[in-house]
Amino acid sequence: AQSVTQLDSQVPVFEEAPVELRCNYSSSVSVYLFWYVQYPNQGLQLLLKYLSGSTLVESINGFEAEFNKSQTSFHLRKPSVHISDTAEYFCAVSGGTYKYIFGTGTRLKVLA
Amino acid sequence: DAMVIQNPRYQVTQFGKPVTLSCSQTLNHNVMYWYQQKSSQAPKLLFHYYDKDFNNEADTPDNFQSRRPNTSFCFLDIRSPGLGDAAMYLCATSRVILTDTQYFGPGTRLTVL
Repeated sequence: AQSVTQLDSQVPVFEEAPVELRCNYSSSVSVYLFWYVQYPNQGLQLLLKYLSGSTLVESINGFEAEFNKSQTSFHLRKPSVHISDTAEYFCAVSGGTYKYIFGTGTRLKVLA
Repeated sequence: DAMVIQNPRYQVTQFGKPVTLSCSQTLNHNVMYWYQQKSSQAPKLLFHYYDKDFNNEADTPDNFQSRRPNTSFCFLDIRSPGLGDAAMYLCATSRVILTDTQYFGPGTRLTVL
């Protein structure tokens, strides 16, 4: 069975400060890992994903995540956040079966 | 723009009164999914279609049914909504299962009175 844990339900951070949103997973098989973002009143959108190859993946808007197999983690980071990054972020895992398992989400609040 | 559209965005129904939620896509994707998302919880997969092949999650209540009359449309039918079925319902699509990006609609928020 697979599971995803996002330990932080809310993360407040000041604008231009760095941020890390944590995601840990458990799985008995090889996994694919995803981060989705949900802005207010919108659907979820893919931010970045790890399928294979380089363990560091990047998004077009400055976020990055690193797949760490030994620590079963896929934490999301950004060195300098903007007000527009305020949203809810969901980590997801798939593998072994056909379906995604989503984490409970982390609400990122960027403060001016 | 190609997208996933859900109607209505807000739906109010009465306890026990059947309700249908609609999803359409212009992406021509093979797979369509329905998720239930309750407040502060992870989206929970209810079922998905790969083309016309229906796949139900083991813990999806019998009260929930789905139809996919063609590639573009998928419906979620709740036969006898209970108070516990109040949630956001998300429709998503992907080209293939498992490794592919899922494209989500904005969701339908269901209220049960």
